[in-house]
This record gives sequence, structure tokens and C-alpha cells, in this order.
Amino acid sequence: DVVMTQSPLSLPVTLGQPASISCRSSESLVYSDGNTYLNWFQQRPGQSPRRLIYTVSYRDSGVPDRFSGSGSGTDFTLKISRVEAEDVGVYYCMQGVRWPPVFGQGTKLEIK
Amino acid sequence: EVQLVESGGGLVQPGGSLRLSCAASGFTFSSYWMNWVRQAPGKGLVWVSRVDGDGSITNYADSVKGRFTISRDNAKNTLYLQISSLRAEDTAIYYCARGSGSLDSWGQGTLVTVSA
Repeated sequence: DVVMTQSPLSLPVTLGQPASISCRSSESLVYSDGNTYLNWFQQRPGQSPRRLIYTVSYRDSGVPDRFSGSGSGTDFTLKISRVEAEDVGVYYCMQGVRWPPVFGQGTKLEIK
Repeated sequence: EVQLVESGGGLVQPGGSLRLSCAASGFTFSSYWMNWVRQAPGKGLVWVSRVDGDGSITNYADSVKGRFTISRDNAKNTLYLQISSLRAEDTAIYYCARGSGSLDSWGQGTLVTVSA
């Protein structure tokens, strides 16, 4: 199976400051159709996961533009330009290219 | 608006069985792959199973193969997961989610607790 490795696993951030989460895959996530199926999910405390970013860099409807995704091949990054209190939670990357789908371990974002 | 509502969880003894359901609304159910993803208490997300739009293709994680069966009833817009031979390590919140290659909508989850 593809291994998805996130870092850091814990991310204390001051309100208004930027945050960055790395996700690395053990294999290239480029599919035969040319797309790279790397997704980012947010799970707020006590809630179900919500997709934020799909195909590396496309934001879902309603996701604030302070969230952005980037990367290619095996290295990907989720960035939050200015952290707000509502961003507290766990962030997961997920690959949807190789079988089976695999999530990263999760990165817990908290406010300092 | 897409809605996914899971039900059927509960407390079950080791070796027991349950059938989980996921009622879908707000989209053409038969046009989408559907998935089950689980999350053990305090742990991360783990994909469990998926089924294609007409129910003819199913896939399972190795950890549940032979014990779990995914199915769907497109006339009822409902996804199912029959879980059997349950073990303590199957204790988790089970989420249904829509999509293939990505999971764009999730339900609120249903908790399965396996304990004597």
C-alpha cells in the first residue's frame, strides 16, 4: 500500500499567523489521466471530516481562500495563510490514486 | 444539498454482527461510488470499503475482507455495510462518504462498540 506521511503531527499556531502541513507519499500520485488525486480534509473536534482541497490545489465550495494546496508527484503541502480559531482540528491528506485509498496520520492544529 | 445519514451502530459482543445503513439525499445516488471509512476512538481515518454506482464492483480493506459486505439499494437511496465476526479492534465510528479517488461528502457517522 502507498504510505502517506504527514508532518508535523502537532502544530501549535498563534492566531493570525500562517501554518503549513506537509504530506509525502511513498509513490507518485499522478494518475494515468494526468491528474494527481491528493486531497486534504479537516476534522474539527466532535465533527465528521470535511474535504477542503481536491486534486492537489482545488478548494471545495465554501472553503475560505486562506487555505491553499500545492505540490506534485510525491510531495504536497497544505497552507493556511492566517490561522483563525475555527481552524482548530485535525488535518488529513489522502491519496486516491493507488489502491487502496490511504490517509495520512493526521496533523493536530491548535492555538498557542 | 447532499445529505448522508448513517444509522445502525451500537454495542455488540465479540463475534457478533450488525448492519449499518447510510441514507442518501440531495443527489443522484446511483451515479456515485460510495464508501465506508472508520475511525477508532482517538485515532485517524481508515478507508474500509467501497461500491460502484450499480453495486457490481466492491472493494475491501484487507483487515475486513471476508467479514464485511458492502451493498446498496438504489431504489431506496441507501448504502449498507454488513459487519460480522466483530472484534474489539472494529470498535470505531463508521462514516459513509461519497466519491471515488476523493470523498467529497461525509455523513455524521455511527458508532460501533465491540465489547463483552
